[in-house]
Amino acid sequence: GAVVSQHPSRVICKSGTSVKIECRSLDFQATTMFWYRQFPKQSLMLMATSNEGSKATYEQGVEKDKFLINHASLTLSTLTVTSAHPEDSSFYICSAWGPYSNQPQHFGDGTRLSIL
Amino acid sequence: KNEVEQSPQNLTAQEGEFITINCSYSVGISALHWLQQHPGGGIVSLFMLSSGKKKHGRLIATINIQEKHSSLHITASHPRDSAVYICAVWNYGGSQGNLIFGKGTKLSVKP
Repeated sequence: GAVVSQHPSRVICKSGTSVKIECRSLDFQATTMFWYRQFPKQSLMLMATSNEGSKATYEQGVEKDKFLINHASLTLSTLTVTSAHPEDSSFYICSAWGPYSNQPQHFGDGTRLSIL
Repeated sequence: KNEVEQSPQNLTAQEGEFITINCSYSVGISALHWLQQHPGGGIVSLFMLSSGKKKHGRLIATINIQEKHSSLHITASHPRDSAVYICAVWNYGGSQGNLIFGKGTKLSVKP
């Protein structure tokens, strides 16, 4: 079945560091990738939607300069949390969709980000 | 009111019990997902359905489009079924879609 690989699975770093998270679709072309954030005991919240080769669409309240998204190829999207602060600590998860509209989203295993 | 409502919020069952989780939604949808999230956080897509019923092993998902309601059933539940089950509705238009998530149902199956 379709697999989405997300890396790293866990990051612990100091405040002010920038952190890059990768999301790869391993056996299908992901025309669209979604980035979600999940706080403890909360449901997933969509941060942004990215289509290959174009700028990401951010949800209201999500700072695009803070959370840089690149979707340069049909199999890779990256989320960079720039100058991370403790309030950015969360569980980040990506999903990939495509290339046909009747296909389900496939989720990565998530990245637990802890900013000290 | 949330666009996707799940019930119950928490569910504890004994091993072997038949389990039902319900999902109601208020928006137009293209399809509905049932997702499973284990304590480690990773999410597995269990079903995507837009009508009728689907079965995979001990899991059964049904949807009634007219009533805007879906159910996830687990037969002969097992402790390894313990997880958060999330209903998400899929509304796609144009070239991209968007999932709207329920808050999840935390299932604990005791041996």
